[in-house]
Amino acid sequence: EPEVTQTPSHQVTQMGQEVILRCVPISNHLYFYWYRQILGQKVEFLVSFYNNEISEKSEIFDDQFSVERPDGSNFTLKIRSTKLEDSAMYFCARGGSGYYGYTFGSGTRLTVV
Amino acid sequence: DAKTTQPTSMDCAEGRAANLPCNHSTISGNEYVYWYRQIHSQGPQYIIHGLKNNETNEMASLIITEDRKSSTLILPHATLRDTAVYYCIVRVAGENNDMRFGAGTRLTVKP
Repeated sequence: EPEVTQTPSHQVTQMGQEVILRCVPISNHLYFYWYRQILGQKVEFLVSFYNNEISEKSEIFDDQFSVERPDGSNFTLKIRSTKLEDSAMYFCARGGSGYYGYTFGSGTRLTVV
Repeated sequence: DAKTTQPTSMDCAEGRAANLPCNHSTISGNEYVYWYRQIHSQGPQYIIHGLKNNETNEMASLIITEDRKSSTLILPHATLRDTAVYYCIVRVAGENNDMRFGAGTRLTVKP
């Protein structure tokens, strides 16, 4: 299946700034996900998005985070006011067909300074 | 993921089979076993999944015990490029059930 593309691959931002991470999955999929991985730690679930609505979110996904699918193709994660501890790799994924696993993007490395 | 237990790390010689175990003693009847791997800082990569029958694809084989309380992922001829963290996840199938990752097993393939 076609890959998931994430942009940018690396973003550096100042603390308190807003960032938008982008993901281009395939438009005929309905389920999309965001995960993050702090350096040296495990991959953590953030949020799932189904049919243009949040399906489930973790305790990490607080009011600073939001997700959108603005044009039916791109899938974005916005962090409203970044903190140092938001520095991590952020992975977008789309659901597989049927019972198959997810397809993950190559990630965006976010560095908050 | 608290539902699975995996060794923290394993080594394997290049060209030999790598056998990665996973315990999931509390698995329920409708939960599948999924395996992913993560090479360095890349996105996790789906490898294989199964319910109760053994499964094989171009990447690996999955052996699930009859009581389904444990499984083994087999890479038949490990290469240096198979060095990665391998994650075993149990989950009810269906896209509305999120994939939750644990710490996984760090496999190092040595020349």
